[in-house]
Amino acid sequence: GAGVSQSPRYKVAKRGQDVALRCDPISGHVSLFWYQQALGQGPEFLTYFQNEAQLDKSGLPSDRFFAERPEGSVSTLKIQRTQQEDSAVYLCASSYTEGRHPGGAEAFFGQGTRLTVV
Amino acid sequence: GQNIDQPTEMTATEGAIVQINCTYQTSGFNGLFWYQQHAGEAPTFLSYNVLDGLEEKGRFSSFLSRSKGYSYLLLKELQMKDSASYLCAVRDPGSSNTGKLIFGQGTTLQVKP
Repeated sequence: GAGVSQSPRYKVAKRGQDVALRCDPISGHVSLFWYQQALGQGPEFLTYFQNEAQLDKSGLPSDRFFAERPEGSVSTLKIQRTQQEDSAVYLCASSYTEGRHPGGAEAFFGQGTRLTVV
Repeated sequence: GQNIDQPTEMTATEGAIVQINCTYQTSGFNGLFWYQQHAGEAPTFLSYNVLDGLEEKGRFSSFLSRSKGYSYLLLKELQMKDSASYLCAVRDPGSSNTGKLIFGQGTTLQVKP
């Protein structure tokens, strides 16, 4: 597609429920990022993929969070046993270069999935 | 640690000029980005600075001083559609070098008629 696509746009989950959030990056983009954005705050890094390899997961807040990108394209962020503090917008971004390449290669963001845990 | 500071809110008048400041404290430097984010929408790229000086792109300009850990975004001829959140972000200079971005909290700009 023309841009980064995320689904669903909105998700309401009961506390304790598992959720899966999908990201379709721009075709051919090597790098894929997941960010978490709380209301009124800037995005915070969760994890990074270079093709299918998860090279950095230092931002995942707990072992309830899991991300994969098995074929180096679509990615899924899974949250197990959701808690109220998981309520946020989850943004996916992709970039055509590998992270270690210098330069201003911008990351293109999707519209995000707004997760509300009740 | 890494820290990015920018004002929480700003208000300006249609047709005017506004400057949004950003200061950062990081263990190194590998580039600074500005993004625009309308409510409920994706952040969209505005500018990138890696060397000192001013980068101009239409109504928007961005300035960087690496020695001062300082950047600003300048918006000229403000339009109502410029009402949005403006995010300052630095590329993490850490050893993992993944290109991940560290964002400030964002500056909400309200443009009034």
